[in-house]
Amino acid sequence: EPEVTQTPSHQVTQMGQEVILRCVPISNHLYFYWYRQILGQKVEFLVSFYNNEISEKSEIFDDQFSVERPDGSNFTLKIRSTKLEDSAMYFCASSRGPDGGELFFGEGSRLTVL
Amino acid sequence: AQSVTQPDIHITVSEGASLELRCNYSYGATPYLFWYVQSPGQGLQLLLKYFSGDTLVQGIKGFEAEFKRSQSSFNLRKPSVHWSDAAEYFCAVGPQTGFQKLVFGTGTRLLVSP
Repeated sequence: EPEVTQTPSHQVTQMGQEVILRCVPISNHLYFYWYRQILGQKVEFLVSFYNNEISEKSEIFDDQFSVERPDGSNFTLKIRSTKLEDSAMYFCASSRGPDGGELFFGEGSRLTVL
Repeated sequence: AQSVTQPDIHITVSEGASLELRCNYSYGATPYLFWYVQSPGQGLQLLLKYFSGDTLVQGIKGFEAEFKRSQSSFNLRKPSVHWSDAAEYFCAVGPQTGFQKLVFGTGTRLLVSP
């Protein structure tokens, strides 16, 4: 069964460092998302991406964050200068279509900022 | 404001007993409703979803949920719990059109006792 894969599964970084989280969505999906879950809190929407541009982003997704689809398969989330409060589990998701289409989530990348 | 409330942080159920996990939502328009399950170290897996029509929806792994518009609820049920059902369960709401910017509840952790 096709699945969304994310790397790394866990990354530890120093505050102020740049981090790139990688995702390979399901191959025939066109809509891509990043969500995050701070430990003990709810899963929160960060950004949606379609046709090589951001379609919607939350207030969490400030100038420190960026997303990119550098080739036909990868979808990346970059945090330019990490802060302690960026420590969270980051989930990538993809869907075939936008309207109520099922979101398929990856297993998550746990980011720890020291 | 859009929100999802899962009032039970933890629930312990004996194996073979029935289960009901509560979910209440607040949403400006008629939403799509989802239940996701997250096993330790795993991503979010869709259990079931409600878009329209029959208010009792069937999902995978023997789960069902009932949409009650008058109560703004979408409770998840299972008649007989198995030890493998121990996991965290998330209720979520999303728009009927547009990108899947889901709003999640804080989750309910299900423990299954022998």
